[in-house]
Amino acid sequence: EVQLVESGGGLIQPGGSLRLSCAASGFSVSSNYMGWVRQAPGKGLEWVSVIYSNGNTHYTDSVKGRFTISRDNSKNTLYLQMNSLKVEDTAAYYCARVQYSAGWYFDLWGRGTLVTVSS
Amino acid sequence: QSVLTQPPSVSGAPGQRVTISCTGSSSNIGAGYDVHWYQQLPGIAPKLLIYANSNRPSGVPDRFSGSKSGTSASLAITGLQAEDEADYYCQSYDSSLGVFGTGTKVTVL
Repeated sequence: EVQLVESGGGLIQPGGSLRLSCAASGFSVSSNYMGWVRQAPGKGLEWVSVIYSNGNTHYTDSVKGRFTISRDNSKNTLYLQMNSLKVEDTAAYYCARVQYSAGWYFDLWGRGTLVTVSS
Repeated sequence: QSVLTQPPSVSGAPGQRVTISCTGSSSNIGAGYDVHWYQQLPGIAPKLLIYANSNRPSGVPDRFSGSKSGTSASLAITGLQAEDEADYYCQSYDSSLGVFGTGTKVTVL
């Protein structure tokens, strides 16, 4: 079955770090573009980061220098390392597979993992 | 901050047709980038509904259709059903980044 399963969310204090994982099955993360999207409680969707199959990465401005997207091809897993967390990073984080079509879009989503940044 | 603007809400009776607009600019939709649509049922992860302006993934009913013109796009739902009550988001591409619309809540009266 083709699916994505996120893990690693939880409650963390401001300034702390957290690593999210996204285990893929049924396809290879290394040969696809992969990304993270977040949704603050009661708010809309926000694109966070993408990693291309060639390893290039892009980030939304609000997380640049704090978040790092990566993948482990041997584990077929995508990661999001989040450092210097802020209260405004509180959100459900979704892992998604990316397809390209005059820009790109997300054709497969995980169920999400909740990150709460609070003291 | 979203660069794609959608109406906060639309509503319709069962069986009716509703449309959701997605207004962008010359740096995203108007630059020729495709528009995609997602449906998010309450408490569930988003699901791809329409890709590349007007294409439906396998399994999406043909009641859902998309179009794009100039700097805007729209999603139409014909024969509205109770299970269509959800949040809908458009998405495009702008300056090497993905951008989502502000989201629209569809209510079935």
